[in-house]
Amino acid sequence: GQNIDQPTEMTATEGAIVQINCTYQTSGFNGLFWYQQHAGEAPTFLSYNVLDGLEEKGRFSSFLSRSKGYSYLLLKELQMKDSASYLCAVRDSNYQLIWGAGTKLIIKP
Amino acid sequence: ETGVTQTPRHLVMGMTNKKSLKCEQHLGHNAMYWYKQSAKKPLELMFVYNFKEQTENNSVPSRFSPECPNSSHLFLHLHTLQPEDSALYLCASSQAQENSPLHFGNGTRLTVT
Repeated sequence: GQNIDQPTEMTATEGAIVQINCTYQTSGFNGLFWYQQHAGEAPTFLSYNVLDGLEEKGRFSSFLSRSKGYSYLLLKELQMKDSASYLCAVRDSNYQLIWGAGTKLIIKP
Repeated sequence: ETGVTQTPRHLVMGMTNKKSLKCEQHLGHNAMYWYKQSAKKPLELMFVYNFKEQTENNSVPSRFSPECPNSSHLFLHLHTLQPEDSALYLCASSQAQENSPLHFGNGTRLTVT
């Protein structure tokens, strides 16, 4: 079966750096997405990786290793507003999106 | 402000009621989706429409009935639901391209009593 694994919950301190990991086992690979979802709000698109390596976008970066079935989302200079759930999703060989259950990130002052 | 609007935001209904969820996208996208989101579970894809044609129905019970009258509007008609159907129902849209991200609405929080 197809599976996406992410930690259920993480805690970090304001101003620090946190890395949220995502591992996947899917039938084929056609790209990986990261989304942010604040409580009671819509998931919003953060990043897309289809080739190996690091994609940087301001305070957020996303890394992909296709050979390891692994990605991470790196958040720097954490702010209180970064408290949210972070969802990892992979497009399989049929271009279907397979979703992880999300990682709830709690930022403490 | 999201380019995908869902109404209502909250809905409480009995098991014998009939109600409809509405979604409208203002982004010029040609694909629309219904997802179910339950606590601590991955998003579950329910239905997909590409250019108004249904291309995906993930074994969803017939008590959920989608309707897509045009590429900007999507409905989910509900009837004789069960308490386990209580969840957040998310609408999304995208361009029908492999690297096109989904744009989600804020969802309808549904409670079935």
